[in-house]
Amino acid sequence: EIVLTQSPGTLSLSPGERATLSCRASQSVSSSYLAWYQQKPGQAPRLLIYGASSRATGIPDRFSGSGSGTDFTLTISRLEPEDFAVYYCQQYGSSAWTFGQGTKVEIK
Amino acid sequence: QVQLVQSGAEVKKPGASVKVSCKASGYTFTSYGISWVRQAPGQGLEWMGWISAYNGNTNYAQKLQGRVTMTTDTSTSTAYMELRSLRSDDTAVYYCARDVFGATSYFDYWGQGTLVTVSS
Repeated sequence: EIVLTQSPGTLSLSPGERATLSCRASQSVSSSYLAWYQQKPGQAPRLLIYGASSRATGIPDRFSGSGSGTDFTLTISRLEPEDFAVYYCQQYGSSAWTFGQGTKVEIK
Repeated sequence: QVQLVQSGAEVKKPGASVKVSCKASGYTFTSYGISWVRQAPGQGLEWMGWISAYNGNTNYAQKLQGRVTMTTDTSTSTAYMELRSLRSDDTAVYYCARDVFGATSYFDYWGQGTLVTVSS
C-alpha cells in the first residue's frame, strides 16, 4: 500500500498569506491519480484538485496543485477566511485509494 | 444537479451489522462507480472500497475484507454498504462518493455522511 505523508500537520497563517501544503508518497504515484480535498468541520470533503494540477469545477484559481513522482504540493495563493480547513491528498495505486493524514490550516 | 443522499444515523451493539444506503440522483447511475470512505471521530479519511454501478464489480480495502459488502440497486439508483461484526473502532461517519475512474480518477460528489456509533 502506498503511504501518503502530509506536512506540516498544522499551518498557522493569516488571511491574505500564501499557504503551501506538501504531500509525499512512499513510492511513485501517477499524477493522473493524485487529488486534493478540503474538509470543514461537520461537512463532507470537497474535491479541489484532480490529476495533480487540474482544478475541479467551481474551485477558485487561488488554489493550485503541482508535483510528480513522490512529491506533490497544494498552494493557496492568498488565504480567504473560508479557506481555513483541513486538506487531504489522495492517490490511487495497486488497486487501492489511500489518503494522507491531513494538514489543518488555521487562523494565526 | 448531482446529489448523493445517505440514510440516517445508526447505533449498534458490538458484533452487530449495519447497512448504510446512498441514493444517487442527477446523473446516469450506471456510468460511475461509488466509493465508501469513513472517518473516525477527530481522525482522517479511510477508503473502504469501491463498487461499479455498471456491473457490480467490487474492490475492498484489504483491512475490511470479509466484513464489508457493497451492492447497488440500479432500479432505484441506490448503493449500499454493509459492515458486519461491528467493533467499537468502527464508530465513524461513513460517506459515499461518486468515483470517477478512467484516465484520471477522483471523488467529485459526496454524500452528507452517516454516523454509525458502536456501543454496548
